Amino acid sequence: QSALTQPASVSGSPGQSITISCTGTSSDVGSYQLVSWYLQHPGKAPKLIYEGTKRPSGVSNRFSGSRSGNTASLTISGLQAEDEADYYCCSYAGSSTFSVFGTGTTVTVL
Amino acid sequence: QVTLKESGPVLVKPTETLTLSCTVSGFSLSDARMGVSWIRQPPGKALEWLAHIFSNDEKSYSTSLKSRLSISKDTSTSHVVLTMTNMDPVDTATYYCARTDGTGYLYMRQANAYDIWGQGTMVIVSS
Repeated sequence: QSALTQPASVSGSPGQSITISCTGTSSDVGSYQLVSWYLQHPGKAPKLIYEGTKRPSGVSNRFSGSRSGNTASLTISGLQAEDEADYYCCSYAGSSTFSVFGTGTTVTVL
Repeated sequence: QVTLKESGPVLVKPTETLTLSCTVSGFSLSDARMGVSWIRQPPGKALEWLAHIFSNDEKSYSTSLKSRLSISKDTSTSHVVLTMTNMDPVDTATYYCARTDGTGYLYMRQANAYDIWGQGTMVIVSS
């Protein structure tokens, strides 16, 4: 099972919107609407920010997710300095493989 | 409050077997909605899923590491254990355990969003 493909880095100015893509295959992203997104600040554990089609309780509504075919996307609107972090997608990949993570994207707030 | 906490050796030698434990609290490993995965992250690199155990004790493993991994749980003591054999320096990483919660899922076994993570434990493989 290969890792999902994400851009290595994405940047934006405060207040702007950015989108992070997550490309998989018909065996994972394309088959299931079960992609989750995580942000990770340096030295910290990842934090769930989007799950399938919903945001966990307490997560800012500036984060939104979508999927089209084999590609899932995370959009961060109204970019803030605190959004600077690494972001990972993760997809359900079937009963045997279960999970596959993305390659990770570093978001920089200019 | 739901928490997970990893424990295990910081340093292991090449070819040795690593045993890590994840102590969970605030939920039961016998709850049909709950599962626990192990996930690792080499320094400066991406997350990598390793293994998952379901409430009914069924297990799933990374295809590339399946021959080296074993995951188990003890519901009575709220522990999930991961063993990895034949350790190599490339296995140097922070190892996390994380929970999945199937509440609201049509098929609970497909719940693979990790809502609660442990703090992680660093494992260095070196002679």
